[in-house]
Amino acid sequence: EAQLVESGGGLVQPGGSLRLSCAASGFTFSSHAMRWVRQAPGKGLEWVSIISVSGDKTYYADSVKGRFIIFRDNSKSTVYLQMNSLRAEDTAVYYCVKDVGWFDPWGQGTLVTVSS
Amino acid sequence: DIQMTQSPSTLSASVGDRVTIICRASQSISSWLAWYQQKPGKAPKVLIYKASTLESGVPSRFSGSGSGTEFTLTISSLQPDDFATYYCQHYNSYPYTFGQGTKLEIK
Repeated sequence: EAQLVESGGGLVQPGGSLRLSCAASGFTFSSHAMRWVRQAPGKGLEWVSIISVSGDKTYYADSVKGRFIIFRDNSKSTVYLQMNSLRAEDTAVYYCVKDVGWFDPWGQGTLVTVSS
Repeated sequence: DIQMTQSPSTLSASVGDRVTIICRASQSISSWLAWYQQKPGKAPKVLIYKASTLESGVPSRFSGSGSGTEFTLTISSLQPDDFATYYCQHYNSYPYTFGQGTKLEIK
């Protein structure tokens, strides 16, 4: 069964940095694009970043462009999200998803709180 | 980017009711549409993809239809477990965006 497990969330001050990790199992990780999606408290779903199979193509939402970096290590079946210059509006649960067009599965999510 | 608009934003219904949620795309997305269910504190779960294909394990009371720019998610007879928030998502062209969600509440 395909499974994704995120880690790395926590409380960080505005302007700080955090790195999220997502460990995949149960499927051929190196054959799938991966994505981060976030959900602010009480709000809807927002795509954050996408990475291609080999990692040579990446895409970012305008809201995080220039501050976040997505990368992957296919040898470890893990995708990462390096988040820099964090702002209060980045506070959200961050989900890792396997991108097959639709998103399945989803990880359990990791909460990032940006606050002083 | 293609914009996805769901209606209504909130829907109040009773157990046993038939309910329909609408999702409209700002341009044609053929049948490249998925529907998700999300319960409080949980990750979303895919219900339907390619507009009308039911994900394995999803009850047959859920159905999807539509193509082009207008799509519907129908629950034929609401069960207590169905009260949740539903999202549509297109995958016609990057970056694949979501609708704003429809919260299905108990009347």
